[in-house]
Amino acid sequence: QQQVKQSPQSLIVQKGGISIINCAYENTAFDYFPWYQQFPGKGPALLIAIRPDVSEKKEGRFTISFNKSAKQFSLHIMDSQPGDSATYFCAAPLLMEYGNKLVFGAGTILRVKS
Amino acid sequence: GAVVSQHPSRVICKSGTSVKIECRSLDFQATTMFWYRQFPKQSLMLMATSNEGSKATYEQGVEKDKFLINHASLTLSTLTVTSAHPEDSSFYICSAPFRGEAEAFFGQGTRLTVV
Repeated sequence: QQQVKQSPQSLIVQKGGISIINCAYENTAFDYFPWYQQFPGKGPALLIAIRPDVSEKKEGRFTISFNKSAKQFSLHIMDSQPGDSATYFCAAPLLMEYGNKLVFGAGTILRVKS
Repeated sequence: GAVVSQHPSRVICKSGTSVKIECRSLDFQATTMFWYRQFPKQSLMLMATSNEGSKATYEQGVEKDKFLINHASLTLSTLTVTSAHPEDSSFYICSAPFRGEAEAFFGQGTRLTVV
């Protein structure tokens, strides 16, 4: 059974600081690792994703780092802002008969203090 | 990114009644859609995979007779919660993979409250 382990469960960061969330996976259908951001009462929104022909992908203040040998990937939020306060989920794909499904980590509740 | 629209965003129903939730892919076709359930401060739990033109695939422990899924077209999947009970109260979310890839786009979610 595919598992994605995410840590920490919650995180408090000062405004301007770096938020770091980690995920570890066991086996995946293929190498594709997205991060989702969810605000209360809303559906998750795709934030950034990596296909690890590269070990790092950066989009603005958000960076994914990927370590294939360790089966780990992480999300770094640089210059964290109060508006970044949300729940973040990592995910990894599991191959199914009808395509692929994403298995999600438990989530990290991020609070950025102003 | 691709847009997935879910309706309604909130619904309150009485115990014993049925509720239908719609999930539409607005600017792309989706032969597969996924239905999730999310409890407060918890992760997304996959309930079932909706397949256009064929039966849905349910995850272990999910009652298929209670959570009816219909994927009648390439842009619409519906989840019907039948004979709803207060324990069915939850946040239900659909998603659709874009271009057949794992990249999934989510609907806004539906907050179901059964009273």
